[in-house]
Amino acid sequence: SQQGEEDPQALSIQEGENATMNCSYKTSINNLQWYRQNSGRGLVHLILIRSNEREKHSGRLRVTLDTSKKSSSLLITASRAADTASYFCATDLTHGNQFYFGTGTSLTVIP
Amino acid sequence: NAGVTQTPKFQVLKTGQSMTLQCAQDMNHEYMSWYRQDPGMGLRLIHYSVGAGITDQGEVPNGYNVSRSTTEDFPLRLLSAAPSQTSVYFCASSWTGSTGELFFGEGSRLTVL
Repeated sequence: SQQGEEDPQALSIQEGENATMNCSYKTSINNLQWYRQNSGRGLVHLILIRSNEREKHSGRLRVTLDTSKKSSSLLITASRAADTASYFCATDLTHGNQFYFGTGTSLTVIP
Repeated sequence: NAGVTQTPKFQVLKTGQSMTLQCAQDMNHEYMSWYRQDPGMGLRLIHYSVGAGITDQGEVPNGYNVSRSTTEDFPLRLLSAAPSQTSVYFCASSWTGSTGELFFGEGSRLTVL
């Protein structure tokens, strides 16, 4: 069974608005990462947050992690049409070298 | 710097045929892995390797073999293709296993008829 689940499955917003997507997972983790995938392309790493961190920023991205609720959120501020993509969370478990990906959130930013 | 290179990009097979998806990285990464991506299922780990000569199973290993004879290469073999193996396959590598970001190839789209 999959470790991570994102919601919503799809999100459509106007350019300039903020986009928030959530990830829930099932078991204890070392780290949680967010990736972006443009249509027909491979995944690209966005940001990594460690299990002992609660919040992390990178440019227009803000990630939070709540290990008590086993959940994370990715906020993209001031969205652009170029942010249109699918976004995935990935977790690696405390006992192994395996990364588990969620089902992804498809974000559409309308110009 | 090519990063992670996958070949072929597209392949059509008949049921029962075998083939190898190639993956090569030029970043001297110890960790390499294979995923399959299916609609609505996200990415699922097939096999992974933490270094040359070491491989292990992921979430969905049945029907696939891997080997890691060099640091650079991590081929994925389909022994007897089945329609259920129609998918997009991604190879990914990392400096380390559980603490590093994954670098992905562009994917190999496989159709099994």
